[in-house]
Amino acid sequence: GAVVSQHPSRVICKSGTSVKIECRSLDFQATTMFWYRQFPKQSLMLMATSNEGSKATYEQGVEKDKFLINHASLTLSTLTVTSAHPEDSSFYICSASDGENYGYTFGSGTRLTVV
Amino acid sequence: RKEVEQDPGPFNVPEGATVAFNCTYSNSASQSFFWYRQDCRKEPKLLMSVYSSGNEDGRFTAQLNRASQYISLLIRDSKLSDSATYLCVVDRNDYKLSFGAGTTVTVRA
Repeated sequence: GAVVSQHPSRVICKSGTSVKIECRSLDFQATTMFWYRQFPKQSLMLMATSNEGSKATYEQGVEKDKFLINHASLTLSTLTVTSAHPEDSSFYICSASDGENYGYTFGSGTRLTVV
Repeated sequence: RKEVEQDPGPFNVPEGATVAFNCTYSNSASQSFFWYRQDCRKEPKLLMSVYSSGNEDGRFTAQLNRASQYISLLIRDSKLSDSATYLCVVDRNDYKLSFGAGTTVTVRA
């Protein structure tokens, strides 16, 4: 089946630094990738949608200059949390679609802790 | 109003029991519905899609009520391995998904 690899699985960084999270589709071409954030005991909240080669579309309330998304190829998307603060600590998950209906595959998630 | 609402539980049931729970959604235009399973600190995994006529996959049965805008999941003959958080997921009609906060099920021996 489809596999999405997400790295790192866990990262601790200092406040003010930037963190990059990678999401790769291993055996299919991901025409669309989605980035979610999940706080404890809450639902996954869609942050942004990215299509290969074009700018990401951000959900209302998500700062595009803080959460930089790059989808340079059909197998790789990156999310960079710039100038991270403790309130950015969360579980970030990507999912990828090959464009067939709702064939979403999730990455294993990245637990970010900003200290 | 949240797009997808679920009873957070927890539902604590003994092995072999039947457990059922619902979720409600607000977007009447939604066409696709899913149940995902999420284990602690892991990514969600698709459990089953939900079809208009209702569908069954082994011990899991899903029902959709469009008129009342709710979806249900029933688990028969619960196993210890069924302990997880079950996420109700609904499309936003733009190929994006809305997730409920999840219903926690704990199956005890």
